[in-house]
Amino acid sequence: NAGVMQNPRHLVRRRGQEARLRCSPMKGHSHVYWYRQLPEEGLKFMVYLQKENIIDESGMPKERFSAEFPKEGPSILRIQQVVRGDSAAYFCASSPPEGARETQYFGPGTRLLVL
Amino acid sequence: GESVGLHLPTLSVQEGDNSIINCAYSNSASDYFIWYKQESGKGPQFIIDIRSNMDKRQGQRVTVLLNKTVKHLSLQIAATQPGDSAVYFCAEMAGANSKLTFGKGITLSVRP
Repeated sequence: NAGVMQNPRHLVRRRGQEARLRCSPMKGHSHVYWYRQLPEEGLKFMVYLQKENIIDESGMPKERFSAEFPKEGPSILRIQQVVRGDSAAYFCASSPPEGARETQYFGPGTRLLVL
Repeated sequence: GESVGLHLPTLSVQEGDNSIINCAYSNSASDYFIWYKQESGKGPQFIIDIRSNMDKRQGQRVTVLLNKTVKHLSLQIAATQPGDSAVYFCAEMAGANSKLTFGKGITLSVRP
């Protein structure tokens, strides 16, 4: 009964490179959320997706960031032309198909370091 | 703007004592609340949740209390153990909005 899986767990990129973060939701879950956590802070919502649909992207920066949740495969959070300020822990959460207002279960996160 | 915050940044308790972690929220439309525990290097782990039609909910060694009048949420941990040492976050959700708003977190340190 695997939980939410994220990979890679750690990612190092140089400024200007691209970062791709992957998230596989819990079995049976069809709602995926991405959050970002800066050191010593709480998590900040970025985007909420269902299969092939972006439901709420109000927390996503306007440029360089994009997310998808294809019909097959994991959800991807993509950061283009990374800058040092993108260094953070990125967490994915999933919830069951009964509705978005169910408990969200989190993965272990991807820690992105931009040099 | 709306925010969820915690009163104290750190809490130190003796092993075996009860812990109480408090949280204030300012969005009166919030109707679903969750407590998460986060250990170093890990993702948030669900502890307990409560909806606004309740004022108390109990789990194993944990109790969440909700006071909507003063917009206050608390987490009580009975017989605190060393394994309870972590950062605790309260999070809230409002109406049809599915995103969670997190507080900054409070560190619970358990003294042996």
